[in-house]
Amino acid sequence: SQQGEEDPQALSIQEGENATMNCSYKTSINNLQWYRQNSGRGLVHLILIRSNEREKHSGRLRVTLDTSKKSSSLLITASRAADTASYFCATDLFTGGGNKLTFGTGTQLKVEL
Amino acid sequence: SQTIHQWPATLVQPVGSPLSLECTVEGTSNPNLYWYRQAAGRGLQLLFYSVGIGQISSEVPQNLSASRPQDRQFILSSKKLLLSDSGFYLCASRGESSYNEQFFGPGTRLTVL
Repeated sequence: SQQGEEDPQALSIQEGENATMNCSYKTSINNLQWYRQNSGRGLVHLILIRSNEREKHSGRLRVTLDTSKKSSSLLITASRAADTASYFCATDLFTGGGNKLTFGTGTQLKVEL
Repeated sequence: SQTIHQWPATLVQPVGSPLSLECTVEGTSNPNLYWYRQAAGRGLQLLFYSVGIGQISSEVPQNLSASRPQDRQFILSSKKLLLSDSGFYLCASRGESSYNEQFFGPGTRLTVL
């Protein structure tokens, strides 16, 4: 089953605007990670936020984590057409057999010129 | 950083035929390895993961199997493919720490006819 659920499922904005995607999850986690996938390609890691962190920045990306609400958000500022892709959150949990990432269903972002 | 190789990039197979997808990893040793399947427009479903040579954990009952004959080699197999096995298969690798990002291969698009 999917641990993370992204919202919205699809988002269309104009170049230069900010894009915000949200992720909700159900169980306790070690960390939460955001990935990007261009159409038909593999996933690229964007940012990792640990369970004891509340906010993290990387370039134009800002991620927040609220463990009390079991939610996270990804903000892309000053979006570009090249940011068009699907974005996934993934919750990381250590089990007896090793670390496992559970992915959400993703948000499809389209940035128009 | 790690580099994940997967081949082939695309594959069209008839129902009932066997399958072997290979994944090899460079740039790390003793990684945790993962096989995911992604249906069109959907999130990633974890199929198998391995914490070491010969150690395989299956996440969902299915028609597929996995093997890890070498530290940086992970193979996904089937004796007889079903139509429902069609999808985009992604191999991933990560270090042992729970705070390591996961690196993905380019994926194999499998179509079963």
